[in-house]
Amino acid sequence: GNSVTQMEGPVTLSEEAFLTINCTYTATGYPSLFWYVQYPGEGLQLLLKATKADDKGSNKGFEATYRKETTSFHLEKGSVQVSDSAVYFCALGRNTGKLIFGQGTTLQVKP
Amino acid sequence: DSGVTQTPKHLITATGQRVTLRCSPRSGDLSVYWYQQSLDQGLQFLIQYYNGEERAKGNILERFSAQQFPDLHSELNLSSLELGDSALYFCASSVDGSGGAGKPYEQYFGPGTRLTVT
Repeated sequence: GNSVTQMEGPVTLSEEAFLTINCTYTATGYPSLFWYVQYPGEGLQLLLKATKADDKGSNKGFEATYRKETTSFHLEKGSVQVSDSAVYFCALGRNTGKLIFGQGTTLQVKP
Repeated sequence: DSGVTQTPKHLITATGQRVTLRCSPRSGDLSVYWYQQSLDQGLQFLIQYYNGEERAKGNILERFSAQQFPDLHSELNLSSLELGDSALYFCASSVDGSGGAGKPYEQYFGPGTRLTVT
């Protein structure tokens, strides 16, 4: 079946450090891939998406590339800020609409 | 602000009781999804409605039910509540979700309802 696996957290970084959060998926065909972010006490916000192989999604300095050959969609940011502290979810979607989420990775950025 | 509203924000109730969670989708969105977020299960899809009709079912217990009304708002009913039902319940909406051949549309999430069963 379809599934998403994320690296376990928490991830603790200093401000301006480089961020990578790994995400791999299992699915047949060509699903769409998403990164959502959840700030403390809030709902999920769509951060970026990619709908086909080799697509790169980007937003607010975050990037992720849809890699079909490695079934991955790793999230990266060149220089994190304290305000990026949140829980990040990788998700897979098909035309049925429902999203399948990874377990979430908590990011803590220290000044 | 995603444009998706959920009420109430918090709900505390006792085991065996029944509660109703309400969701209003973004203006123009036809599809509504319900998700449960708990510490042990993570984010799990429960059920989807599209334009008033049930479209997909996930790991939803028989004690739970939902519906989408003609004005497109949705309600999730949880009955015979157990301690393990304590969780955050999110509603999301999207423009489509009809299950056609196209790619899935972006889902916009509400702020959630935190249910505590004591």
